[in-house]
Amino acid sequence: GAVVSQHPSRVICKSGTSVKIECRSLDFQATTMFWYRQFPKQSLMLMATSNEGSKATYEQGVEKDKFLINHASLTLSTLTVTSAHPEDSSFYICSARVGSLSTDTQYFGPGTRLTVL
Amino acid sequence: RKEVEQDPGPFNVPEGATVAFNCTYSNSASQSFFWYRQDCRKEPKLLMSVYSSGNEDGRFTAQLNRASQYISLLIRDSKLSDSATYLCVVNHGNNDMRFGAGTRLTVKP
Repeated sequence: GAVVSQHPSRVICKSGTSVKIECRSLDFQATTMFWYRQFPKQSLMLMATSNEGSKATYEQGVEKDKFLINHASLTLSTLTVTSAHPEDSSFYICSARVGSLSTDTQYFGPGTRLTVL
Repeated sequence: RKEVEQDPGPFNVPEGATVAFNCTYSNSASQSFFWYRQDCRKEPKLLMSVYSSGNEDGRFTAQLNRASQYISLLIRDSKLSDSATYLCVVNHGNNDMRFGAGTRLTVKP
């Protein structure tokens, strides 16, 4: 299947700092990538849809000024958690859609575990 | 009511057992359906798509009943390596994928 990478896999930071997470599609071009967040023992929750060359679409309740998304190329999307707080500690997972149809399969990156102290 | 509901389990079964997971979804306009597998502290990985005609991949069989808005996954001859959380995923179209909270399976020797 398609390969999606994320970096870093794990990050620990102090409260108030910003953290950037990268998501790359390694063997295909992804015009659309997605950012999810998963708290322990809960399901994945879509945060935003990242479109190459345009602004991201955020889900209701997700602050766009806090979670900055940039999708500058067909293989890279970044999520920056600004002024992180302990409640932002979570498992952040990106995915990339293979194909142009909205019902096409998504492949997930390995996730980034963020711990804010 | 949650958009995608699954029995959280856990299901604890012996090796070789057959186990079935169920999932219901609330949006009748949902367009495509999947089962993903998620190992502890890892990302979800696509297990199989689910079609109305039913589909089988080795020991795994998935079924979709659109009228009842119900999806199932059957695992035959369970292996230790099948231990994971199984996520039911429903795609509403327009990049709108909804995940169930998952059903946890533990296969014991």
